[in-house]
Amino acid sequence: DTGVSQNPRHKITKRGQNVTFRCDPISEHNRLYWYRQTLGQGPEFLTYFQNEAQLEKSRLLSDRFSAERPKGSFSTLEIQRTEQGDSAMYLCASSLADVWTRTYGYTFGSGTRLTVV
Amino acid sequence: AQRVTQPEKLLSVFKGAPVELKCNYSYSGSPELFWYVQYSRQRLQLLLRHISRESIKGFTADLNKGETSFHLKKPFAQEEDSAMYYCALSGLGYGNKLVFGAGTILRVKS
Repeated sequence: DTGVSQNPRHKITKRGQNVTFRCDPISEHNRLYWYRQTLGQGPEFLTYFQNEAQLEKSRLLSDRFSAERPKGSFSTLEIQRTEQGDSAMYLCASSLADVWTRTYGYTFGSGTRLTVV
Repeated sequence: AQRVTQPEKLLSVFKGAPVELKCNYSYSGSPELFWYVQYSRQRLQLLLRHISRESIKGFTADLNKGETSFHLKKPFAQEEDSAMYYCALSGLGYGNKLVFGAGTILRVKS
């Protein structure tokens, strides 16, 4: 297990196209998070999964964004009808949360850099 | 509202000098505080958690609830400490999602 893996590393797309990113978490981690990071800012929370259930979505996640985590393993983040404002680094992270919902820190992936032209 | 403020975009120090990266937070409850670090061309990684009260790579951070601060300190900076540092908080019951500050670039000059 080499950590959290994200694909692709870079994506350039034309405005209006759909894009999909993939994240493979650490296998024993039950939580998976998606964050977005724009230049000069820290990562911002988008959504998270506990196993296969999507438990929370940020208001940043418009209707054009959808995330899935089938079978509680890998996750995909799809952006439909991309806009220039979607250009950002999309980060995935996973963690192990215990029954008291404490977590022991995240492991982040390298991210997918999206450029919408 | 949960908020993390890192007032300095850039902190430049000489090798061997003390370092203090400032972090203030706003949270109504008992947050958990973290420092994450991103070295050049590497992924974001956990440096330390307040709950662990440990020292990692010579860095320490003490949670001051009165001042709502979690400053990161190191007595003697090394060139390999040059990186982007993010302070973050999470609250129990919020899915442990992290709220990040904007980050501080630390440059250690020789």
